[in-house]
Amino acid sequence: GNSVTQMEGPVTLSEEAFLTINCTYTATGYPSLFWYVQYPGEGLQLLLKATKADDKGSNKGFEATYRKETTSFHLEKGSVQVSDSAVYFCALYSGTYKYIFGTGTRLKVLA
Amino acid sequence: SQTIHQWPATLVQPVGSPLSLECTVEGTSNPNLYWYRQAAGRGLQLLFYSVGIGQISSEVPQNLSASRPQDRQFILSSKKLLLSDSGFYLCAWSSSGKETQYFGPGTRLLVL
Repeated sequence: GNSVTQMEGPVTLSEEAFLTINCTYTATGYPSLFWYVQYPGEGLQLLLKATKADDKGSNKGFEATYRKETTSFHLEKGSVQVSDSAVYFCALYSGTYKYIFGTGTRLKVLA
Repeated sequence: SQTIHQWPATLVQPVGSPLSLECTVEGTSNPNLYWYRQAAGRGLQLLFYSVGIGQISSEVPQNLSASRPQDRQFILSSKKLLLSDSGFYLCAWSSSGKETQYFGPGTRLLVL
């Protein structure tokens, strides 16, 4: 079946450090891929998405590229801020109304 | 623009009591609606989804049920809560035929 695997957290970085959160997936066909962010006590917000191979999603300085050859969708940001501290979820959608989410990676950015 | 509401925001209930959580969406029609549960420190578990009024699909057999009495209203219920029902409940919607889901603010449920 379909699945999403994220790197385990927490990830602790200093402000202005480079961020990578790894995400790999298993799916039949050509799923769409998403990154969502969850701030403390809140629901999930869509951060970025990519719908086909080699697409790059980007938003608020975050980027992720849909790599079909490595079945990956790693999240990156060149310079993190304290306000980026949150839990990040990788997800895929392959149709039939079902979304598969990773377990989430907690990011903590220190000033 | 579309908005999604959930209430209550927080709920503390005794074991064996009933439950009703409500989710409503504004600014769109005929949305697909979803209920997820997020246990502490874990990912999201899809509980139910609905593609139309009165149409409910259950993903995980459990102590909960869902109903969709109106186009933009989705209700999560239980007749008797268990300790294991504690968690953060998220409602989400997507446009019919579109992939992106949008989440509500969530309801934190603590069963004692």
